Amino acid sequence: GQQLNQSPQSMFIQEGEDVSMNCTSSSIFNTWLWYKQDPGEGPVLLIALYKAGELTSNGRLTAQFGITRKDSFLNISASIPSDVGIYFCAGQGGTSYGKLTFGQGTILTVHP
Amino acid sequence: NAGVTQTPKFQVLKTGQSMTLQCAQDMNHEYMSWYRQDPGMGLRLIHYSVGAGITDQGEVPNGYNVSRSTTEDFPLRLLSAAPSQTSVYFCASSYFLAGAQETQYFGPGTRLLVL
Repeated sequence: GQQLNQSPQSMFIQEGEDVSMNCTSSSIFNTWLWYKQDPGEGPVLLIALYKAGELTSNGRLTAQFGITRKDSFLNISASIPSDVGIYFCAGQGGTSYGKLTFGQGTILTVHP
Repeated sequence: NAGVTQTPKFQVLKTGQSMTLQCAQDMNHEYMSWYRQDPGMGLRLIHYSVGAGITDQGEVPNGYNVSRSTTEDFPLRLLSAAPSQTSVYFCASSYFLAGAQETQYFGPGTRLLVL
């Protein structure tokens, strides 16, 4: 089956620093999605990517769909304490509509 | 527009008991899915549905049943609960645009403890 490797597993940063995390896949995806999950909540969609090479921003967040369609990255600029949470990448490939494969998550801690 | 709703929020079961986790969406989405989330393992797909009357297995389907009689509802049934099914369960729904564009939206989750 499809495998997604997300790194890093955790990050401890100071407020104001930039953050970068990425996901790589063993197979090609048609869609890359980035989610954030706060404690006790469901994942909330941050950015959706649909085309290879696509670069999309949402406020301080920027994500890119890799040219090979096997990777994606998420950058957070000028981090703030409310950025704390778990960030997940997810991919959908082929004709597997309704099925997402998730990365293991990146736990982000921001020190004021 | 409530989005994706799940009930109950919390549940404690004894081994061997059965129960149904409810999921409903009011966005007229074709696709609905159930995931479980365990520490350090991200979200794993249990079952999914591409429309009313159509369901299929995901990565970890054993011990779970689903049905999709309407577009809005997608219940998940545990026929005989086991401690290994202690987890947080998320329901999601998604729409599909032309050109292979899919976006999934998640419910708030059901926290299940099986003793």
